[in-house]
Amino acid sequence: GAVVSQHPSRVICKSGTSVKIECRSLDFQATTMFWYRQFPKQSLMLMATSNEGSKATYEQGVEKDKFLINHASLTLSTLTVTSAHPEDSSFYICSASRPQDFYGYTFGSGTRLTVV
Amino acid sequence: GENVEQHPSTLSVQEGDSAVIKCTYSDSASNYFPWYKQELGKGPQLIIDIRSNVGEKKDQRIAVTLNKTAKHFSLHITETQPEDSAVYFCAASRGGSQGNLIFGKGTKLSVKP
Repeated sequence: GAVVSQHPSRVICKSGTSVKIECRSLDFQATTMFWYRQFPKQSLMLMATSNEGSKATYEQGVEKDKFLINHASLTLSTLTVTSAHPEDSSFYICSASRPQDFYGYTFGSGTRLTVV
Repeated sequence: GENVEQHPSTLSVQEGDSAVIKCTYSDSASNYFPWYKQELGKGPQLIIDIRSNVGEKKDQRIAVTLNKTAKHFSLHITETQPEDSAVYFCAASRGGSQGNLIFGKGTKLSVKP
């Protein structure tokens, strides 16, 4: 079955630094990847949608200069949280869809980001 | 845009009982309705899904029903077990790369042994 690998699973960084989260589709080509943020005891909120080779589409209220998304290949998308602040601490989850499975979405295991 | 409402927010049942979680959606163009189980510190896992051309789908102890006219869909878990305890999310989408998943707020299910 489709597998999406997300790394790291946990990261602690200092305020003002940048953190990169990777999302890889291991056994399929993901034409579209979605990035979600989830605060404790809350639902998943879509941050942005990225298509391979084009700029990501950000949801309203999500700062594109702060959350840099790169989808340079059909198997890799990255989310970089720039100049992180404590309020960016959250659980970040990626999801990938593949063209041959129109209704299919596969989720990564998530990254717990803590900014101190 | 799409809005998904999910109820209840918490649900406690005795082992062996059934659990039902309900969701409503607003976008009549939505055509894909998955249900996810999320355990603490992990990503969501798809447990069952249904497409708009189907009214009901069952997989062992889990079933989902869809009423397109009323724009609501429900998750039914029978013979609940303690390992069913988790947070469950419903979602709706127009499908594929044309749409993204809009999630409900989640239901924390507790199954007491």
